[in-house]
Amino acid sequence: EAQVTQNPRYLITVTGKKLTVTCSQNMNHEYMSWYRQDPGLGLRQIYYSMNVEVTDKGDVPEGYKVSRKEKRNFPLILESPSPNQTSLYFCASRLLAGPAYEQYFGPGTRLTVT
Amino acid sequence: GENVEQHPSTLSVQEGDSAVIKCTYSDSASNYFPWYKQELGKRPQLIIDIRSNVGEKKDQRIAVTLNKTAKHFSLHITETQPEDSAVYFCAYQTYNFNKFYFGSGTKLNVKP
Repeated sequence: EAQVTQNPRYLITVTGKKLTVTCSQNMNHEYMSWYRQDPGLGLRQIYYSMNVEVTDKGDVPEGYKVSRKEKRNFPLILESPSPNQTSLYFCASRLLAGPAYEQYFGPGTRLTVT
Repeated sequence: GENVEQHPSTLSVQEGDSAVIKCTYSDSASNYFPWYKQELGKRPQLIIDIRSNVGEKKDQRIAVTLNKTAKHFSLHITETQPEDSAVYFCAYQTYNFNKFYFGSGTKLNVKP
């Protein structure tokens, strides 16, 4: 089954404790992206990757890191989480060829930083 | 910077009525405009999209119109049903296919 998976689905952590949210897709998509969703703000892009070893900042990259060492995986790293990073996070992937290919979203990770 | 404004933030209609959601964007070079539906606790799912060289696209009860001159696009849902109740997001993709910008969402409530 073609899908995007994220782990963990729920995470409660404390300020400053490094964490990683994993994202994996099995559709051989070149493009992968991370979004955060906050009430009243819609989805905002954090980072995206056009292919292996190619990453770039989205609209709200502060406090986040990413890496793309393999085509299928795109982990999101919070080196020192803060309460303002409490949010619902979505990973997404799509084909890169052509301008109008559907983005497939993962199930989401709800992060709470206390 | 780039942004997209979405209105209204909430919309309540009677079953069978039509619903219209409007978005205005700032990047004139944008070329792809998808609409997503997000049910409570679920991931966003694409319901319809339109490219910049097309003015209107229809898929059963859902249609999207695009006015590039005015930089706005709209979602039209006809004959609404209770299962259409969800949050709807407009979005656009920058010209180089890299970045996506989303509207703030419209919570649609279809009353039976």
